Amino acid sequence: GENVEQHPSTLSVQEGDSAVIKCTYSDSASNYFPWYKQELGKRPQLIIDIRSNVGEKKDQRIAVTLNKTAKHFSLHITETQPEDSAVYFCAASLRDSWGKLQFGAGTQVVVTP
Amino acid sequence: DTEVTQTPKHLVMGMTNKKSLKCEQHMGHRAMYWYKQKAKKPPELMFVYSYEKLSINESVPSRFSPECPNSSLLNLHLHALQPEDSALYLCASSPQGMGNQPQHFGDGTRLSIL
Repeated sequence: GENVEQHPSTLSVQEGDSAVIKCTYSDSASNYFPWYKQELGKRPQLIIDIRSNVGEKKDQRIAVTLNKTAKHFSLHITETQPEDSAVYFCAASLRDSWGKLQFGAGTQVVVTP
Repeated sequence: DTEVTQTPKHLVMGMTNKKSLKCEQHMGHRAMYWYKQKAKKPPELMFVYSYEKLSINESVPSRFSPECPNSSLLNLHLHALQPEDSALYLCASSPQGMGNQPQHFGDGTRLSIL
């Protein structure tokens, strides 16, 4: 089955700096890669996703890049703000998987003022 | 606003109790999911319903029994749970039960087993 590795497990950044989280996946047939943000005590919130026919996607301060050859994808957050502090999960799934998402272990991001 | 609504928000039950978790969505989604999440861990898939039919059961113990009465509702019936079942139970929905569609989560039910 699919296996997703996520790094780093914790990330501390100064407000205004950029943050990058990287994930690798094992199944080359995976074609959908969402990112979720989960604040303490709250639900996972979908913040951006990318499909395998696209190499990069951007939404304001958030961007995701996908390298299918290397089987890795990354989340980039620019101009970080304290409200970006949360746990971020990457995930991968196959088209014919009945929606089964394989999550990475998560990255705790702390943005210090 | 959360478009997937879960009740109750908190539940404390003994190991001999029977209780149910409820989930509702009105986005017209045809796939619904149950996940279990332990502290500082990612969500773990338990069940997937697609068009009201069970599509995936991730070898979940029979003390958890899912039910999908219609395309908007998803229940999780609990019986004879163990202390290790204490966790956050999340419901999610997506337009269809396919692997390339966004899943939207509810706020979850925080379950404690005494």
